[in-house]
Amino acid sequence: GQQLNQSPQSMFIQEGEDVSMNCTSSSIFNTWLWYKQDPGEGPVLLIALYKAGELTSNGRLTAQFGITRKDSFLNISASIPSDVGIYFCAPSNDYKLSFGAGTTVTVRA
Amino acid sequence: GAVVSQHPSWVICKSGTSVKIECRSLDFQATTMFWYRQFPKQSLMLMATSNEGSKATYEQGVEKDKFLINHASLTLSTLTVTSAHPEDSSFYICSARPIAQETQYFGPGTRLLVL
Repeated sequence: GQQLNQSPQSMFIQEGEDVSMNCTSSSIFNTWLWYKQDPGEGPVLLIALYKAGELTSNGRLTAQFGITRKDSFLNISASIPSDVGIYFCAPSNDYKLSFGAGTTVTVRA
Repeated sequence: GAVVSQHPSWVICKSGTSVKIECRSLDFQATTMFWYRQFPKQSLMLMATSNEGSKATYEQGVEKDKFLINHASLTLSTLTVTSAHPEDSSFYICSARPIAQETQYFGPGTRLLVL
């Protein structure tokens, strides 16, 4: 079956630092989405990637869809306290999302 | 834009009763809605895919007679947990896919506690 690995599992960072996380898959995907989930809430869409090699930014967030369509990374620059939360990669085929295990980000002020 | 609501946001019920959760896309039409379940400190697990006007497609291991899904319009899907038991206690989250888009927008979730 398809395997989706997200790393790191968690990270503690200093405010102002840059953050990087990635996901790799054993399968090819058509679309790659990144979501953030705050405690007790539903995931919020951060970035959507549709083309292999695509590099997209949303404010301090930057994500790229791997050229092989099997991986993606998400970078957060100059982290701030509100960046705390769980980040999920969610690649998609045929409109069905597969969720990574999540990366929990904790920011130290 | 792309707002999805869920109601109720939390519910406590007695074992054996049924609970209905509503999912609405407020500012767009959704051909497809999805229902997920999330346990503490775990990722989201897809339970079923619901297309407007047709029967839902359930993931392996999800009992369709226990988790009844109705998608009567392009803006509303409901999930009914029938004869709820304590092990059904969880965080249930819906998402909606706008027509002709690949992205999914999530509701705020419903926390169910079965006593």
